[in-house]
Amino acid sequence: QQQVKQSPQSLIVQKGGISIINCAYENTAFDYFPWYQQFPGKGPALLIAIRPDVSEKKEGRFTISFNKSAKQFSLHIMDSQPGDSATYFCAASMRYSTLTFGKGTMLLVSP
Amino acid sequence: EAQVTQNPRYLITVTGKKLTVTCSQNMNHEYMSWYRQDPGLGLRQIYYSMNVEVTDKGDVPEGYKVSRKEKRNFPLILESPSPNQTSLYFCASSPLRLAGNFQETQYFGPGTRLLVL
Repeated sequence: QQQVKQSPQSLIVQKGGISIINCAYENTAFDYFPWYQQFPGKGPALLIAIRPDVSEKKEGRFTISFNKSAKQFSLHIMDSQPGDSATYFCAASMRYSTLTFGKGTMLLVSP
Repeated sequence: EAQVTQNPRYLITVTGKKLTVTCSQNMNHEYMSWYRQDPGLGLRQIYYSMNVEVTDKGDVPEGYKVSRKEKRNFPLILESPSPNQTSLYFCASSPLRLAGNFQETQYFGPGTRLLVL
């Protein structure tokens, strides 16, 4: 069964700190790993994504780190801001399949 | 504006009363999908469609029906709703590459919050 395990379930970080959310997968055929961000009352929206041919991708304060041998990937939010408070979902997919989502992490950045 | 719309946004109904949640996208996307979101369970896929008249079950299809008669619309039908279908529902769409690779951004609607009494 395709699964993506996400941790932690919730996270509180002080403003200016680093938020780290981790995901692990089992299916080595997965070849696309996006992160979605969801604000209260809104639908999820793509934040950043990575393919397994690179170990890291950075967009502004958001970085995905990818460890193919460990079958793990993580989202790092540098200089976390109160406006980053949201639910974050990792996901994975492979050719001819749909996205499999993790269960989500509720991030609260305290002022 | 490119978007996915859902209606209604909020719905309270009673057990057994048939209902339909509409979903429409204006981006000419081939792929459309329905998810339900429940606390602690994340996003679970109900049904998806790769094109007109092509639909398939997701992870939690029981108690739901869908149809895809037009490319832009993908309604979710609950023929006999039950309280365990109380949830937050999202419709999503994305382009579908010719190779069948789903590695495209999925665009989500604003959600429909359903309460079944």
